[in-house]
Amino acid sequence: NAGVTQTPKFRILKIGQSMTLQCTQDMNHNYMYWYRQDPGMGLKLIYYSVGAGITDKGEVPNGYNVSRSTTEDFPLRLELAAPSQTSVYFCASSPPTGAVGELFFGEGSRLTVL
Amino acid sequence: AQKVTQAQTEISVVEKEDVTLDCVYETRDTTYYLFWYKQPPSGELVFLIRRNSFDEQNERSGRYSWNFQKSTSSFNFTITASQVVDSAVYFCALRINAGGTSYGKLTFGQGTILTVHP
Repeated sequence: NAGVTQTPKFRILKIGQSMTLQCTQDMNHNYMYWYRQDPGMGLKLIYYSVGAGITDKGEVPNGYNVSRSTTEDFPLRLELAAPSQTSVYFCASSPPTGAVGELFFGEGSRLTVL
Repeated sequence: AQKVTQAQTEISVVEKEDVTLDCVYETRDTTYYLFWYKQPPSGELVFLIRRNSFDEQNERSGRYSWNFQKSTSSFNFTITASQVVDSAVYFCALRINAGGTSYGKLTFGQGTILTVHP
């Protein structure tokens, strides 16, 4: 079972470059999320989506953009990368009802901006 | 605003010891959910448990048990007879009941790194 798949797992960017972190899930979950994990800081929500075509900002959206054209895919785009965006990024998904707050996470994408 | 505090940054124990991970939360909402997630060395977070604010019953699942006390705003997690495979980062998280779109909008604590030595 694939679950939530993120690519790439590691990436080094130069300041000012752009890139897209890919996320796909095969559980037919309506809800998808992007979190970032900074050392000693826990996870913070960047963007989330409640279904195809619907996205909204989380706690730390600046410098990022998302789109949700299908139920399966939720890519995160970084425009003009900055050192402050060095972090581990996690994509997650959840069903819309029942398992409140039970998120299924990908393995993370470690991004370094130099 | 909500806040979750895990004061223990790192804990180191020897196999078979019991260990308790502390979690203190802050919220003004009367309806909320609390969670524990485990992050093993492979990286992905794994859901362990969810409690809602109306259910203060303690819960046990095998070697894991959870103590929820609203009076002290705490939701502590105990591992009995720890094993090397329990080594991971453990996160406590909070979600207020702000409607359907808030399902996955969790506020996480800083995490506690647990190392169990053989």
